[in-house]
Amino acid sequence: EDQVTQSPEALRLQEGESSSLNCSYTVSGLRGLFWYRQDPGKGPEFLFTLYSAGEEKEKERLKATLTKKESFLHITAPKPEDSATYLCAVQADSNYQLIWGAGTKLIIKP
Amino acid sequence: DADVTQTPRNRITKTGKRIMLECSQTKGHDRMYWYRQDPGLGLRLIYYSFDVKDINKGEISDGYSVSRQAQAKFSLSLESAIPNQTALYFCATGETGGAGNQPQHFGDGTRLSIL
Repeated sequence: EDQVTQSPEALRLQEGESSSLNCSYTVSGLRGLFWYRQDPGKGPEFLFTLYSAGEEKEKERLKATLTKKESFLHITAPKPEDSATYLCAVQADSNYQLIWGAGTKLIIKP
Repeated sequence: DADVTQTPRNRITKTGKRIMLECSQTKGHDRMYWYRQDPGLGLRLIYYSFDVKDINKGEISDGYSVSRQAQAKFSLSLESAIPNQTALYFCATGETGGAGNQPQHFGDGTRLSIL
């Protein structure tokens, strides 16, 4: 069964304290892995797509990496405005529907 | 103006009522989706449409129906609402093309409470 698991469920960091969020997946052939950011009261906002193992994408303080089993979202020197829920979704070769993880709630304290 | 607009943003209603949630987009995308989000769970797909004449059931379509009135409009109906349909509902759009793995773009959601 295709499955996506995100960890941890919640993460509290001090401003400037770097860390990583994990997205583990099990799919029969990966078409794409997507990272989104969701702020309270808002819809998910697209961040990155990764297509194959070894690929990396960067945007400001965020860097996403991909292996055959998992993806990491690395946050370097985070600021309070990086506080949000980060969602991971996977698209399998077998269909066009996305399989979503439950998200990691990230809180950055000043 | 938002590229993907959902109305209403909030709705409280009673069990057994018929409810329609509406979504319109200015992104020019062919693909449109309806999801629900519940605390502690990932987004779950209710219905999706790849063009005006194409409607497909998602993972949790029971109790819901949809209508694709135009390329830019996709509405979700709950024919007879029940309390376990209380959730946050999102509409999303996506481009056609490539390997079918284009990102989806979301509206800001409708918070629906059924008493």
